[in-house]
Formats: sequence, C-alpha cells, structure tokens
Amino acid sequence: AQTVTQSQPEMSVQEAETVTLSCTYDTSENNYYLFWYKQPPSRQMILVIRQEAYKQQNATENRFSVNFQKAAKSFSLKISDSQLGDTAMYFCAFTPLIQGAQKLVFGQGTRLTINP
Amino acid sequence: DAMVIQNPRYQVTQFGKPVTLSCSQTLNHNVMYWYQQKSSQAPKLLFHYYDKDFNNEADTPDNFQSRRPNTSFCFLDIRSPGLGDAAMYLCATSSVSLPYNEQFFGPGTRLTVL
Repeated sequence: AQTVTQSQPEMSVQEAETVTLSCTYDTSENNYYLFWYKQPPSRQMILVIRQEAYKQQNATENRFSVNFQKAAKSFSLKISDSQLGDTAMYFCAFTPLIQGAQKLVFGQGTRLTINP
Repeated sequence: DAMVIQNPRYQVTQFGKPVTLSCSQTLNHNVMYWYQQKSSQAPKLLFHYYDKDFNNEADTPDNFQSRRPNTSFCFLDIRSPGLGDAAMYLCATSSVSLPYNEQFFGPGTRLTVL
C-alpha cells in the first residue's frame, strides 16, 4: 500500500520569507505522479505543482518549486517570497501512473500561516 | 467559467436521517470522485465513477451510496448518518484524456449531524 507522510502539522513564517514543506512517501511503484495541493480556509482545493517520477528535473511554477529525491522517496515544496495569500493547508499527494481514474493518496497536511 | 459545484455548502441533518449531497460539473469530465475529509485530516476517497462504472473503495461503509444519473451530476447518499459521519465532503472530477489526469475539486459540503 502507498502511504504519504507530512511530518510538519503546522508552520508559520513572515511574509516574503522562504518556507519549505516536507513530504515523504512509500511505494513499490516505479512510475507515479506526486502533487502538492493547497486548501485555503473555506475555499476549494487547488493544484499547486506536480512532478512526474520519471523526470529528474524538479518542477517549478513561479514562486513554487519542489525538491524531488526519488531514491529517498522525498518530495518537498519550497515557497519563495511568501505572500499572505499563501496561508492555507497544504497536502502532498501520490498517484500511481495508471490508465483511468487517478486515485490520490494524501498526506495529513501542513497548516501554513504567513504572518504580515 | 467551467467548474465543479457542490450543493449545499452546509448541510445539517439528524442522527439516522438520510441525507443527499449534490455535485455538478461543467467540465464534461468522465470521472467523478467523492472524498470525506474530517477536521484537520487528509481527504479520504470514498468512491468514484468512471463514466457509468461505479468503483467503491474497500473500506467505504455500506452506509454511503452514490448515483451518477448523467455526466454532469453525481450524488452522495448517506442512508443513516451517524455522529462519526460529520465531515467535509469533497467532490472532484478528472478527464482521462487530459495530461496527468488532474483532479479538479469543488468547494465541499460541510455536513453536521445532530
């Protein structure tokens, strides 16, 4: 069975600082996708960034980047120049590379607060 | 804008009284999912529809049922809600023809059981 672990239940940083959220996972699959989702308070969950396991290059989306270490099964999210709007619950998620429906396995989440 | 809509956003029911949550989508995606998310926990997949094919997760209680009358709509029926069923219920959609089969989430329905 696949599992995803986020070891930081809560984090808090000042606006404009850089913050890194940790995620580790366990799987016997060789091909899979990893995701970071953001769930703002009382708002819907949205995809922040994705990484294909077969790609060595780390994914980047504007201020968001990942550090993907396949051998270590580690997938951390770095948020640069953090903004107040980044305050949210962040979930790391895994899905194997399969045809058909995408069955996500989520970590427990990290509650990130950006302080002014 | 194309989106995933959930109604109602807040639902209160009584212990044992059946309740139905609704999800609709304008994305024309062929897969629809229902997740249960309890306070400060990760979303947990209950089941999904791939077109008309229903796929139940092994640990989803029998108390939870789902219907998908057409591509756009999917319903979650809780036959006899217990106090432990109080949670946020998230609907999501995806299309197998899109890259990464990315899931798009609705805003959720928060269910309270009295």
